[in-house]
Amino acid sequence: QQQVKQSPQSLIVQKGGIPIINCAYENTAFDYFPWYQQFPGKGPALLIAIRPDVSEKKEGRFTISFNKSAKQFSLHIMDSQPGDSATYFCAASTGNYGQNFVFGPGTRLSVLP
Amino acid sequence: DVKVTQSSRYLVKRTGEKVFLECVQDMDHENMFWYRQDPGLGLRLIYFSYDVKMKEKGDIPEGYSVSREKKERFSLILESASTNQTSMYLCASSATGGTTREQYFGPGTRLTVT
Repeated sequence: QQQVKQSPQSLIVQKGGIPIINCAYENTAFDYFPWYQQFPGKGPALLIAIRPDVSEKKEGRFTISFNKSAKQFSLHIMDSQPGDSATYFCAASTGNYGQNFVFGPGTRLSVLP
Repeated sequence: DVKVTQSSRYLVKRTGEKVFLECVQDMDHENMFWYRQDPGLGLRLIYFSYDVKMKEKGDIPEGYSVSREKKERFSLILESASTNQTSMYLCASSATGGTTREQYFGPGTRLTVT
């Protein structure tokens, strides 16, 4: 019940395309859903996050869509650029200290020039 | 600029050695975390600490221990390193409360146990 499933494992798109990464969870106690971006040789960094009381959140070219009833959320990258090539992790969290932070297995995105 | 630093980027140790991985954060965060990252498995929580001298087991604590004597420093200890502990180790910190639970990560330590 603590697992977060993520797909696809890897994704290749052309510059300007709209890659979509999907995640699903089971634990209805999760109340915070972030996406992290990781470049090679770096630690993950927060990209965008959503709480379950909204269905969509946009920050620049990045959008999270959230479907509470289906227990699914997804990341869309508009007008993708080669600089977006990275590994993306979805996560779900609960707990006062954020200690119950469960990460998906990651999606390696390559954006071709 | 917020910063989480880890003592080593790369480490090579022999089976049975005691290994110390150190993490320091400069954000006065209450919470600190140790994860290991393996391909296809994402990040898995080893231990976390929500205060000095306080620690809680994560999902995979076996073979590891931690120490937090000062607020800014969180150490991960492999008492007797084994080859199955070869991995990338990531430290993170976060603040308690507020509207975000953002975790700030260090650059990672790639540990190889031979």
